Amino acid sequence: GQQLNQSPQSMFIQEGEDVSMNCTSSSIFNTWLWYKQDPGEGPVLLIALYKAGELTSNGRLTAQFGTTRKDSFLNISASIPSDVGIYFCAGQLRNFGAGKSTFGDGTTLTVKP
Amino acid sequence: ETGVTQTPRHLVMGMTNKKSLKCEQHLGHNAMYWYKQSAKKPLELMFVYNFKEQTENNSVPSRFSPECPNSSHLFLHLHTLQPEDSALYLCASSQWPGEDGLFFGSGTQLSVL
Repeated sequence: GQQLNQSPQSMFIQEGEDVSMNCTSSSIFNTWLWYKQDPGEGPVLLIALYKAGELTSNGRLTAQFGTTRKDSFLNISASIPSDVGIYFCAGQLRNFGAGKSTFGDGTTLTVKP
Repeated sequence: ETGVTQTPRHLVMGMTNKKSLKCEQHLGHNAMYWYKQSAKKPLELMFVYNFKEQTENNSVPSRFSPECPNSSHLFLHLHTLQPEDSALYLCASSQWPGEDGLFFGSGTQLSVL
């Protein structure tokens, strides 16, 4: 099956720094999604991307759908302590439904005040 | 509040017990899912229900038995579990077909003794 390589696996940063993480795949997706999971909670959808090259923002978060349709990037600007958590990327194929999403292994973000 | 409610939040059970996990979604979605999340492992899709019908069982052992009485409710019945079944069990819902991603509950943290 399809696999996503998400990197980095973990990040330790100082409050106020910017963060970048990415996801790559060996095959194309029609939709890229980014989720955040707080400790003890389920993942929450942050951003959904539907077109190659699309750049979408949600507050301090910006995500891009790679032009090859095989990768996606998430940037967080001016990090704050509540950004702590695990960030997952997910790729989805049209007509297969959200439940058939392929998930990355996650990037664990730690923010030091 | 994601619109998906899971109970209980925490569950400790012995290997001979029978228990059930409950999930309810208030989003009007027509697809519901069970995922398993173990420490240091990616999200594993267990079961998919579309319009109350089970459409996918990802080789899940029979000691896990799902039930979907209607499009808003999903159960996972557990019996004679093993210690390695200890994990976070997440329920999710989505619209099918659709590309807007998954809406997860907060999960049930299960410990099997």
